[in-house]
Amino acid sequence: SQTIHQWPATLVQPVGSPLSLECTVEGTSNPNLYWYRQAAGRGLQLLFYSVGIGQISSEVPQNLSASRPQDRQFILSSKKLLLSDSGFYLCAWTSPNLLHFGNGTRLTVT
Amino acid sequence: GNSVTQMEGPVTLSEEAFLTINCTYTATGYPSLFWYVQYPGEGLQLLLKATKADDKGSNKGFEATYRKETTSFHLEKGSVQVSDSAVYFCALSTNTGFQKLVFGTGTRLLVSP
Repeated sequence: SQTIHQWPATLVQPVGSPLSLECTVEGTSNPNLYWYRQAAGRGLQLLFYSVGIGQISSEVPQNLSASRPQDRQFILSSKKLLLSDSGFYLCAWTSPNLLHFGNGTRLTVT
Repeated sequence: GNSVTQMEGPVTLSEEAFLTINCTYTATGYPSLFWYVQYPGEGLQLLLKATKADDKGSNKGFEATYRKETTSFHLEKGSVQVSDSAVYFCALSTNTGFQKLVFGTGTRLLVSP
């Protein structure tokens, strides 16, 4: 069966520090992968999606970037975190008609 | 553009009460509609879905009917339990080549014994 792993579960980082969140999917090949963010009091916002290795599409301009170095690995990064980057980050992948989420990473920028 | 509007929470109910969480949408074409649930400290899980008008999605005692005429997909449950306490997200997909879900802001449900 397919599973999605996301880590770390929680992270506290100072403003201006770098960020790297990793997501891996098992049990499937060539999945479509997504990064969503859930900010306090707001809904889920799609940040990036990827349909294949090295293929990244950005949905909103921001301080973050994404990379897909391997078929089932999706990384969310920042060179310098801002306070506004705090939130709950969710990785997801799709089977033909459904979106499956990881357990998320809660990021607090102080 | 596409959007989803949910009722603001929190919704506070006693166990065995009837639940309705309103959801309306704006979309071009004929979207698929979803309800996702997020339990404390976890990611989102699909609760139910409907892919065309008048379809009823159901799971774990929850139901929602795709109403094209009112552009709504309200979530209902006849008798809630404490274990139903969670955040519920309504979402739509415009059925492009891959899923790009548009989510509502979420509604927190608190059920007390």
